[in-house]
Order: sequence, then C-alpha cells, then structure tokens
Amino acid sequence: DAGVTQSPTHLIKTRGQQVTLRCSPKSGHDTVSWYQQALGQGPQFIFQYYEEEERQRGNFPDRFSGHQFPNYSSELNVNALLLGDSALYLCASSLSSGRAIDTQYFGPGTRLTVL
Amino acid sequence: GESVGLHLPTLSVQEGDNSIINCAYSNSASDYFIWYKQESGKGPQFIIDIRSNMDKRQGQRVTVLLNKTVKHLSLQIAATQPGDSAVYFCAERVGTYKYIFGTGTRLKVLA
Repeated sequence: DAGVTQSPTHLIKTRGQQVTLRCSPKSGHDTVSWYQQALGQGPQFIFQYYEEEERQRGNFPDRFSGHQFPNYSSELNVNALLLGDSALYLCASSLSSGRAIDTQYFGPGTRLTVL
Repeated sequence: GESVGLHLPTLSVQEGDNSIINCAYSNSASDYFIWYKQESGKGPQFIIDIRSNMDKRQGQRVTVLLNKTVKHLSLQIAATQPGDSAVYFCAERVGTYKYIFGTGTRLKVLA
C-alpha cells in the first residue's frame, strides 16, 4: 500500500520565480492538505483540497495556490517567490468521505530553497 | 539530511527509561488531537491520536493523556529506545479541517 508521495525532493529557485510542487495521496484517500514547515518550527497549515476544491485555507497570501485532480493528486503553486518561502513543504492525505475523524498522513516533503 | 528543530526544547532520557513529552494546546473547542514523530529529513509520522471525549488512550509503548481543563496533552513513551530519538509534535484539530501544530520537542535517547 503506497503512502503519500511528493515530488521533487529538493528544489532551488531564485526570488521572483514560480514553483509547482506535487503530491500523490495515500491509496484510498480523497483529501490533500498542504503545510509549510520552516526550520525549527512545526508545520503550518496552508490549505486543504477535497473534491477538487479548496475547502479551508490558513493564513497564507494569494501567491500560494493549489489544485486537486480527479485522481485526488494535488499541486501546490507558489508565485513571486520570496526568500522567506524557503521551507519544507509537506503534503498530508486523509479520507474525508463519511468520516468524522480525518487522520492525516504525511509525505516526506519537498525542500524548497529560494536564493 | 537536514535537521528538524535546531532550537527546540530538548528532552534527554536514558535508554530504557520512560519519556514524557508535554504539549499545551490553544483552542478549547479542539475535538481531536494527534501526536506525530518527525525524524531528520522526513515528514511527520503518525504515532497516536485521541478524541476530546477521552482522557487517555494507549498504543504500543505509547500513551496519550488529555487534560481539557488546562488544555494540556502529554505523550508517554515506555522503555525508550534509540529509534525513538526524533522531534515530537502535537497537533490539534481546529474547526473541521484545519490542524494546528505545536512547536515540537526534541527527544534524545542516551545509550
């Protein structure tokens, strides 16, 4: 049973560029959440996608956007990159349909470095 | 891989001893809590969860205690092993879909 996978593993960009990160959820899961984890801190919630729509968003600017595809995989896009966007980006998947509790399982993350 | 939690609170325990990691959560309306373990260069790994209608839940070598009166969670690890060395985060579910993570505690197991 495949767990959550993310690509790429590492990425280096320069300020002002745009980046797209990808996530495939755990088999059987229908919901994807994205988190940003700065060094030395806990993950911070960016947004969650379910049924191909963003259904909740954390305190992140509109430069952060996402998409969920019919196969439940997801992309995180960040435009106009800033040095402060350097972080580990984590994808978490869960099963929402018909469940009151949606335990989230995380992928290994994508390490983004902005120069 | 890169280090997680370079400046986090650290708990050092002898191998074989029991570990207790504490977490204060922020929202009295939170109804679900999870403990995660994060090793260097990896994503958080689910350890154990608890709903707000429970005070205690046990897993294999781990126990989570919830005190809603003071908004406090603890994770107890029995017979701590070198493989338990990692950063531990508590997460609370706020609203229906959003999770808020604590700042984390680094656990170091001394041989």
